[in-house]
Amino acid sequence: KNQVEQSPQSLIILEGKNCTLQCNYTVSPFSNLRWYKQDTGRGPVSLTIMTFSENTKSNGRYTATLDADTKQSSLHITASQLSDSASYICVVSAPGGSYIPTFGRGTSLIVHP
Amino acid sequence: GAVVSQHPSWVICKSGTSVKIECRSLDFQATTMFWYRQFPKQSLMLMATSNEGSKATYEQGVEKDKFLINHASLTLSTLTVTSAHPEDSSFYICSETTSYNEQFFGPGTRLTVL
Repeated sequence: KNQVEQSPQSLIILEGKNCTLQCNYTVSPFSNLRWYKQDTGRGPVSLTIMTFSENTKSNGRYTATLDADTKQSSLHITASQLSDSASYICVVSAPGGSYIPTFGRGTSLIVHP
Repeated sequence: GAVVSQHPSWVICKSGTSVKIECRSLDFQATTMFWYRQFPKQSLMLMATSNEGSKATYEQGVEKDKFLINHASLTLSTLTVTSAHPEDSSFYICSETTSYNEQFFGPGTRLTVL
């Protein structure tokens, strides 16, 4: 069964600090891995998307890494801001026309002033 | 990236009534749209896959007669919650995928059934 596990489940950090969120998956074969940010009461917004051949991708203060061999990904947030408080969701997709992605349960990040 | 809109953004209804939620793809034609439900502090749960011009594919445990999905055009999919009950209160989100397997989500619809 395809699974996506995220850790930690929740995280509290002080404004300005860095943090790293983890995503381990068992989806195989693998097409792409995406990180989303979901604010409370909003739909998820894409942060990064990586294919099998990509090891890292940045989007502003967000940097995602991917190790397809160990099936692990991380999302690093630099110099956190209060607006970074949200749920961060890792989504992994298999190739093929049916395409139903597998969602992680998300990491809830709270940034305190 | 693609833009997906949902309407309404929130709705409150009485138990027993039906509620229709619209999901529109604003800048590209989506042959496939997904409908998700999300309860507080829970992950998104896939309800069904909506294919333009054909019947939707429902996930196990989702009642197709209760959650009616219509994907009549390449830019519009609708989810109708029939005879809504308080346990149907949730956050409903649609999404579309591009030919590059990118997935874009709508802003969601908060349904509260009294």
